[in-house]
Amino acid sequence: NAGVTQTPKFQVLKTGQSMTLQCAQDMNHEYMSWYRQDPGMGLRLIHYSVGAGITDQGEVPNGYNVSRSTTEDFPLRLLSAAPSQTSVYFCASNPGGNLAKNIQYFGAGTRLSVL
Amino acid sequence: GESVGLHLPTLSVQEGDNSIINCAYSNSASDYFIWYKQESGKGPQFIIDIRSNMDKRQGQRVTVLLNKTVKHLSLQIAATQPGDSAVYFCAENAGTSYGKLTFGQGTILTVHP
Repeated sequence: NAGVTQTPKFQVLKTGQSMTLQCAQDMNHEYMSWYRQDPGMGLRLIHYSVGAGITDQGEVPNGYNVSRSTTEDFPLRLLSAAPSQTSVYFCASNPGGNLAKNIQYFGAGTRLSVL
Repeated sequence: GESVGLHLPTLSVQEGDNSIINCAYSNSASDYFIWYKQESGKGPQFIIDIRSNMDKRQGQRVTVLLNKTVKHLSLQIAATQPGDSAVYFCAENAGTSYGKLTFGQGTILTVHP
């Protein structure tokens, strides 16, 4: 059972570089989300998607873009990396629909450092 | 804005003791709450959830209590084991979108053998 798969696990960027964090889930979940986790803080929502072709902003969307062309994939793009984006990034998915099934399943995370 | 927070950032217990981790939430519209466990270097792992129409829910060695009057949530772990050592987060969903969880700061639980 793969669940939610994130790549890469680690990444170092220079300020101004761009990159895409990959996220894929094989559970046929409608909803997917991206969070960032900074030291001593909980997870903060960056962007989320309630289905293919539909995305929306979370709490901290600036500097990030997302798209959802398929149900399985939800990539997160950093257009011009800044040191403030140094963080651990988590992708999550959940079935959606009935609130009783609103359990989000998380990937293992991508540790990003921007120099 | 509305947020979920934790009273105690760290908790140390002896193996076999019961642990109680607390969480305060401020959004009165929240109707669904989840506890997650995060081990070092890993993503959060679901532990237990509760809807706002309930005040208690039990799982295997864990119990979640919800007090809507004072907007308080707690996670009780019975017979705590060293493998329970982790960061525990509460999260809330106000029901407007199933992808929008708001997480608390987290409590570090350390279990001593």
